[in-house]
Amino acid sequence: DAGITQSPRHKVTETGTPVTLRCHQTENHRYMYWYRQDPGHGLRLIHYSYGVKDTDKGEVSDGYSVSRSKTEDFLLTLESATSSQTSVYFCATFPTGQGNEQFFGPGTRLTVL
Amino acid sequence: GESVGLHLPTLSVQEGDNSIINCAYSNSASDYFIWYKQESGKGPQFIIDIRSNMDKRQGQRVTVLLNKTVKHLSLQIAATQPGDSAVYFCVEFSLDTGRRALTFGSGTRLQVQP
Repeated sequence: DAGITQSPRHKVTETGTPVTLRCHQTENHRYMYWYRQDPGHGLRLIHYSYGVKDTDKGEVSDGYSVSRSKTEDFLLTLESATSSQTSVYFCATFPTGQGNEQFFGPGTRLTVL
Repeated sequence: GESVGLHLPTLSVQEGDNSIINCAYSNSASDYFIWYKQESGKGPQFIIDIRSNMDKRQGQRVTVLLNKTVKHLSLQIAATQPGDSAVYFCVEFSLDTGRRALTFGSGTRLQVQP
């Protein structure tokens, strides 16, 4: 499972507050991703990283920012949370040159009231 | 666990039967098509992939079929077990984009009746 942990696992916050979700991996995988999952949808890409300090936007990046200062950590920040950001957030990693399997963390359930 | 999808299409099968989960994909330029399984409360888990220039690939108890003419992908599970109960996603994957990210379909829920 690529040793992926996400913290917190559950969070309830209020509209307008900043929130940071953390993804930590132990396998030194190059690529890291943040997806969100909503009812009726598959997972949708928010942001991704292809190396330390190298990040880029996915399809649903509005209202989110990311940072990767170390290979093992990828942070997702909601600068000012909105109710539309209530979702389950998954982190994933992808090692290059080892097939097409991406490894997913256990998810963080975020509720914005 | 979280609500993966309130209105997902559902396939209900008896334990021991074979299951076939179907998917229509959109991007003919994808290099690979992948099936992921998501159990309640967990992240998705890779099952099997197939390269776009193939039409069939077999794994342990699973077979994936690709029909590029009609943009159709299917996952066959032999001798379905209760542990196979989950949501299954067909996923598109392209190598030529720098992101190497996955494009998920909306999913199918498989329920295995004992």
